Amino acid sequence: EVQLVESGGGLVRPGGSLRLSCAASGFTFGDYWMHWVRQIAGKGLLWVARINRDGTGTSYADSVRGRFTISRDNAKNILYLQLSSLRDEDTAVYYCARWPVGTKDYGLDVWGQGTTVSVSS
Amino acid sequence: YMLTQPHSVSETPGKTVTISCTRSSGSIDDNFVHWYQQRPGSSPTIVIFEDRQRPSGVPDRFSGSIDRSSNSASLTISGLKAEDGADYYCQSYYSSNVVIFGGGTKLTVL
Repeated sequence: EVQLVESGGGLVRPGGSLRLSCAASGFTFGDYWMHWVRQIAGKGLLWVARINRDGTGTSYADSVRGRFTISRDNAKNILYLQLSSLRDEDTAVYYCARWPVGTKDYGLDVWGQGTTVSVSS
Repeated sequence: YMLTQPHSVSETPGKTVTISCTRSSGSIDDNFVHWYQQRPGSSPTIVIFEDRQRPSGVPDRFSGSIDRSSNSASLTISGLKAEDGADYYCQSYYSSNVVIFGGGTKLTVL
């Protein structure tokens, strides 16, 4: 079964750090670009970051650039998101999602269940 | 640029509803548009990719289209069922592979 499972969320103080993980299974992880998307409770989806297949190319939303770092370990089939200098407004559910880039664009075709980050003093 | 969706739509079972997604600048066909369904308490799932393509397993009651004259994409759901009640998001790109989402539309099946 194709699956993405996020972990690492929790309660953290403003200015603190956290590392989220996304464990992939049921597919060849290294064949896919990956994304992080977040969702504030009761609000819409907000794209956070993406990484290419081998980890050499990354992009970030303006709101997180310089504070968050996306990375991956293809040997372990894990995607990461390092969150630093956290702010109250980073409180959200964080999803990882798979992006099959190729001759067709299938969109973000597999999503994890999400992990919750709460930033509060 | 922004993708603008109506905040909410509602319709009765068996009817057809259309959700729009309007691009604020640039052409709607500059980049593919995808559509996601998010039921309460669940993760999003894709229902339309590449403007109008349906992933396997998505009923043919779901269809997508592009209208250049209004610079918008649309998701149409026909034969509405109670289970279609959910939030729907359009998604496209800028700068090749930076993702942008619309604000989402809450579909209520009355």
